[in-house]
Amino acid sequence: QVQLVQSGAEVKKPGASVKVSCQTSGYTFRDFYIHWVRQAPGQGLEWMGRINLNRGVTNFKEKFEGRVTMSRDTSLSTAYMEMSSLESGDTAVYFCAREHIALPGYLDYWGQGTLVAVSS
Amino acid sequence: SSELTQPPSVSVSPGQTATITCSGDKLGDRYISWYQQKAGRSPVLVIHEDDRRPSGIPERFSGSNSGNTATLTISATQALDEADYYCQAWDTTTRRHVFGPGTKVLVL
Repeated sequence: QVQLVQSGAEVKKPGASVKVSCQTSGYTFRDFYIHWVRQAPGQGLEWMGRINLNRGVTNFKEKFEGRVTMSRDTSLSTAYMEMSSLESGDTAVYFCAREHIALPGYLDYWGQGTLVAVSS
Repeated sequence: SSELTQPPSVSVSPGQTATITCSGDKLGDRYISWYQQKAGRSPVLVIHEDDRRPSGIPERFSGSNSGNTATLTISATQALDEADYYCQAWDTTTRRHVFGPGTKVLVL
């Protein structure tokens, strides 16, 4: 069955970086994008960007360009999201989700979420 | 503009119909998806490509999209449908996805 399993919660100080992983199984890795979506406490969903798992090409929400890196390791069927220069406003649950490359823009399976807390 | 708007909340009595709207410029020209999120859980896809239900989603969930408004309809609403619902669109111009702000459905 399809599974997206994310790495565990992180606590970081302002200015630090964090790298969250999303290990996938149960489907052909390269046929999909992985998206990253975050949700601050009590707030809605915010799309951050996506990575084409076949070609490695990325698209980002403008506010994250230059501060967020998305990558993948095809041998491990795992995608990664790294964010630098963390500030308290980045405290959120970060989700990964998949989108089929050939289908129009919906996210059919999601990871369980990773809490990133930024505090001095 | 790729901004989407949704009402903050919708209240419905059990067994009645809940209607959640999602508005945006020329939304009918884009495919819309809808996600249900219960407290402390990951979002679940309930409608994709405007009106298609994934396997396992009850028939009481339906969708439509025309003009500047997409609509998620929950017929014969049950207590377990109480959740936050988000619309989502793909902007072909900017190549970016966007979520609406979410609508809390309260089953009273």
